[in-house]
Amino acid sequence: GENVEQHPSTLSVQEGDSAVIKCTYSDSASNYFPWYKQELGKGPQLIIDIRSNVGEKKDQRIAVTLNKTAKHFSLHITETQPEDSAVYFCAAPRQNTGNQFYFGTGTSLTVIP
Amino acid sequence: DTGVSQNPRHKITKRGQNVTFRCDPISEHNRLYWYRQTLGQGPEFLTYFQNEAQLEKSRLLSDRFSAERPKGSFSTLEIQRTEQGDSAMYLCASSLAFGNQPQHFGDGTRLSIL
Repeated sequence: GENVEQHPSTLSVQEGDSAVIKCTYSDSASNYFPWYKQELGKGPQLIIDIRSNVGEKKDQRIAVTLNKTAKHFSLHITETQPEDSAVYFCAAPRQNTGNQFYFGTGTSLTVIP
Repeated sequence: DTGVSQNPRHKITKRGQNVTFRCDPISEHNRLYWYRQTLGQGPEFLTYFQNEAQLEKSRLLSDRFSAERPKGSFSTLEIQRTEQGDSAMYLCASSLAFGNQPQHFGDGTRLSIL
């Protein structure tokens, strides 16, 4: 997406290690940031989201942090498992639109058993 | 919760033919979105509906593309006179209408143009 940059594009980790994916956005008015996981042949699945009134949100092994000043947000996966292998996308809303999102270009995560 | 349903899952057609895809959103969601996704990229917004009204269209949506949501429930996306460049995954998503809401995606229709 033209307003969201995502890094890295590929990431390999050993099972049990942590994985971190980072996104930056340009619209300072953006206030909602979802993360999606996409497995081969399937649509993106929402895994966690964060609103701009909080700096961190956690759900079991997954957490998202938001730095509004720097306009970046990150996905953290701890204790990675082989089933975490997938492509992950971040997204941020387009300004003055009805809930349209810009998506990042995706991170292909491989967890090595 | 039956989720967002799309069909067909795959469509192979010859260049120049017309194709139509269907999306059934989550029943209580009054917003419905169409996205296109090509290999190695994130989904790109095409258009969205709130109930039966088509409120926004992307510049990506050429005149050969048309979408409808006649009764505010399911939606169809039609591509006329298909071209090679139309080959992609077409994704549908739905959400509630107030503020920024999570969008829930279907598994898409993969279109291949021969």
